[in-house]
Amino acid sequence: QVQLQESGPGLVKPSQTLSLTCTVSGGSISSGGYYWSWIRQHPGKGLEWIGYIYYSGSTYYNPSLKSRVTISVDTSKNQFSLKLSSVTAADTAVYYCARWLRSWFDPWGQGTLVTVSS
Amino acid sequence: QSVLTQPPSVSAAPGQKVTISCSGSSSNIGNNYVSWYQQLPGTAPKLLIYDNNKRPSGIPDRFSGSKSGTSATLGITGLQTGDEADYYCGTWDSSLSAGSVFGGGTKLTVL
Repeated sequence: QVQLQESGPGLVKPSQTLSLTCTVSGGSISSGGYYWSWIRQHPGKGLEWIGYIYYSGSTYYNPSLKSRVTISVDTSKNQFSLKLSSVTAADTAVYYCARWLRSWFDPWGQGTLVTVSS
Repeated sequence: QSVLTQPPSVSAAPGQKVTISCSGSSSNIGNNYVSWYQQLPGTAPKLLIYDNNKRPSGIPDRFSGSKSGTSATLGITGLQTGDEADYYCGTWDSSLSAGSVFGGGTKLTVL
């Protein structure tokens, strides 16, 4: 079955750009029908949707983060990526990638903690 | 402040039944499908219910979902200590700030 795995630096300095990659296995991003998404969870808090991308490159972003977010896809590597610019301590969170269809997310990656600190 | 409103916590004894509510509006729950997720301590969320009341393969029928108007409910019967987790509802919001939205989460304690 489809599995997702996040990767990237666990520590990012304030004002810099957070960059994460999600590698999809067990299925092809290019097969279509699904969107590929990023979600984050601040420590001890709830879930916050960041955005999605379709294999064609179409994107949808959370309006509250839109000015700082870029999600891209590399179908040749079966990966999609997140860039969040101008980070502050408020961006410290566990970042998850997940597959999205219609209104549900499944499966999810295991998540990766990103800490913003100097 | 989450777009969808859930009780912060619920509790019940093993073997009992519990329900978790999720309240929204016409721009989200009222006109879109609802999903539910279980997040065990230290793990990623896991899909429990999709399209209001459907269970993915492998999810026991102790878990059920329903929707009425602008509210949704997750039901869990035959509670087990392994059900202790945070539960989140989610849906699409069609308002000007369109996108996926979640409830604030409900901590289930099995006494």
